[in-house]
Amino acid sequence: LAKTTQPISMDSYEGQEVNITCSHNNIATNDYITWYQQFPSQGPRFIIQGYKTKVTNEVASLFIPADRKSSTLSLPRVSLSDTAVYYCLVGEDTGRRALTFGSGTRLQVQP
Amino acid sequence: DAGITQSPRHKVTETGTPVTLRCHQTENHRYMYWYRQDPGHGLRLIHYSYGVKDTDKGEVSDGYSVSRSKTEDFLLTLESATSSQTSVYFCAISERDQTGPLHFGNGTRLTVT
Repeated sequence: LAKTTQPISMDSYEGQEVNITCSHNNIATNDYITWYQQFPSQGPRFIIQGYKTKVTNEVASLFIPADRKSSTLSLPRVSLSDTAVYYCLVGEDTGRRALTFGSGTRLQVQP
Repeated sequence: DAGITQSPRHKVTETGTPVTLRCHQTENHRYMYWYRQDPGHGLRLIHYSYGVKDTDKGEVSDGYSVSRSKTEDFLLTLESATSSQTSVYFCAISERDQTGPLHFGNGTRLTVT
């Protein structure tokens, strides 16, 4: 399994861009990188997924360097409602999935 | 939202009693997962299923068993509940093989007294 390492917590202010980096040195060739957001008392919610280079959707961007040993989730112009825990997940592609989450990054957005 | 229903949403039980949590999906997805979440530990995989009657252990499977007799249902059983199994349990389903994002249910809060 590709283990992941993220910062435990981050602080930001409304309107700023937030970048959360995840390290995954043992990523396998066929693994995808997926990010989730979790609010208190809710299940995690899918944000974005990528394999290489850059992926962008309506809420975030995901940057993946050529060696794929890390990835960065970028949240543009955060608001108070972006306060949550963010998880980076790297998939195991062996025909049977055993996905394990890391400890996540707790993002606190202040006014 | 993906059609995932967890039941019950809350349960209080006594040490030593058996408990079964149910996850029901309406999406006909092949992969289903059970996670537990405790303060300071993030989400930890208990068991997962890659098809009917096909299951495997996750990183914290001791004290838990699972069954999947139908595509839509994935049951998690605590044969003899202990206080260390007090937690929030999340079920998830996978949209696509291998690379599909996970969609989570709203969780079951279990308290073992």
